[in-house]
Amino acid sequence: DIQMTQSPSSLSASVGDRVTITCRTSQGISNYLAWYQQKPGKGPKLLISSASALQSGVPSRFSGSGSGTDFTLTISSLQPEDVATYYCQKYNSDPWTFGQGTKVEIK
Amino acid sequence: QVQLVQSGAEVKRPGASVKVSCKTSGYTFTIYDINWVRQATGQGLEWMGWMNPNRGNTGYAQKFQGRVTMTRDTSISTAYMELSSLTSEDSAVYYCAIGRSGYYYFDYWGQGTQVTVSS
Repeated sequence: DIQMTQSPSSLSASVGDRVTITCRTSQGISNYLAWYQQKPGKGPKLLISSASALQSGVPSRFSGSGSGTDFTLTISSLQPEDVATYYCQKYNSDPWTFGQGTKVEIK
Repeated sequence: QVQLVQSGAEVKRPGASVKVSCKTSGYTFTIYDINWVRQATGQGLEWMGWMNPNRGNTGYAQKFQGRVTMTRDTSISTAYMELSSLTSEDSAVYYCAIGRSGYYYFDYWGQGTQVTVSS
């Protein structure tokens, strides 16, 4: 199975900072990668599909990039409501594996 | 609007089985595969398997093969996930989810069902 490695596992940043989360896969998956946001006590929310396609209603400060084995989720200006854990997920082939998650906090 | 509403919390003894339901509305039930994802407390998301509600065929993650069964009742637009031979490591929140794109990323999720396995 393809392994997913997300980094960092947690980060603390100030309001307005640019935040970058990385997801690496052990084999190429083209652009079959999604990003989710999970706020404390809530279910996951889809942010981005196809590595870079922002879902309707998601603020434009979120963006995704990458292809092959290296992917990035960027929050251009961190806001207090962005406190959450972020997960990547591959969907090129079964099993549809998630990354380990990155917990984002406000400094 | 699309909604996935799951059954309530369960407490089970080790060795027992649990069956969680996922009632859907706001779309044609048979169109989108139902997936199940679980999350142990403080842990990440773990995909368990999928079911095609139209034909009833399924695909399970290797970890759960032989222990999980996904079924449906099309007359009430409801999917079910049954997990047997429970241990404390199965204590988790279980989610149903669908992806409307035809790809296996998930844009609608149920609210989650807490399953606690304890003696």
